[in-house]
Amino acid sequence: GESVGLHLPTLSVQEGDNSIINCAYSNSASDYFIWYKQESGKGPQFIIDIRSNMDKRQGQRVTVLLNKTVKHLSLQIAATQPGDSAVYFCAEFAPSNTGKLIFGQGTTLQVKP
Amino acid sequence: DVKVTQSSRYLVKRTGEKVFLECVQDMDHENMFWYRQDPGLGLRLIYFSYDVKMKEKGDIPEGYSVSREKKERFSLILESASTNQTSMYLCASSLRAVGGREQYFGPGTRLTVT
Repeated sequence: GESVGLHLPTLSVQEGDNSIINCAYSNSASDYFIWYKQESGKGPQFIIDIRSNMDKRQGQRVTVLLNKTVKHLSLQIAATQPGDSAVYFCAEFAPSNTGKLIFGQGTTLQVKP
Repeated sequence: DVKVTQSSRYLVKRTGEKVFLECVQDMDHENMFWYRQDPGLGLRLIYFSYDVKMKEKGDIPEGYSVSREKKERFSLILESASTNQTSMYLCASSLRAVGGREQYFGPGTRLTVT
């Protein structure tokens, strides 16, 4: 079956550095991907999305890269701030999933002051 | 902004009790979802609904039921709570017109069953 996974459970970075969070997916039919941020005690919050017809999309301080050849997704956060400390989830959507998102396990980002 | 609200942030119930978790969204979304979130297991889909009075099982429906009598409200029911249902429960909604891809989440209900 399909699965979405993140390569590292915890990532620790220095404030001001760039962060890269990785995600692997296995369903080549997936055509839409989302990154969510979940702060402690809160529900997941949408950060950025990308469709399979794109390989890069930029938001405010965040960039998502999609490599369909190796089924890999990454989230880059520029100039990481203490407020970026959270758990980050990737999720994939395939039309065959009848509307369901498949979530990865999550990576905890810790920002050191 | 989409707003998804859940009736309780924290809930403590006893084994065997019937538990209702309520979720309301204010953006006229057709799709609504219930997940549970556990350490090391990520988000797992319990049930979802594409329309009023419609429901479909997710990956872990055992021990749960749902109700969708109105478009904006989706209820999760634990008929007889058990300790292994202690978890964080998250509700989400999405708009069918755009393929239902982007899901908006509520703040979650942390349920403890003793």
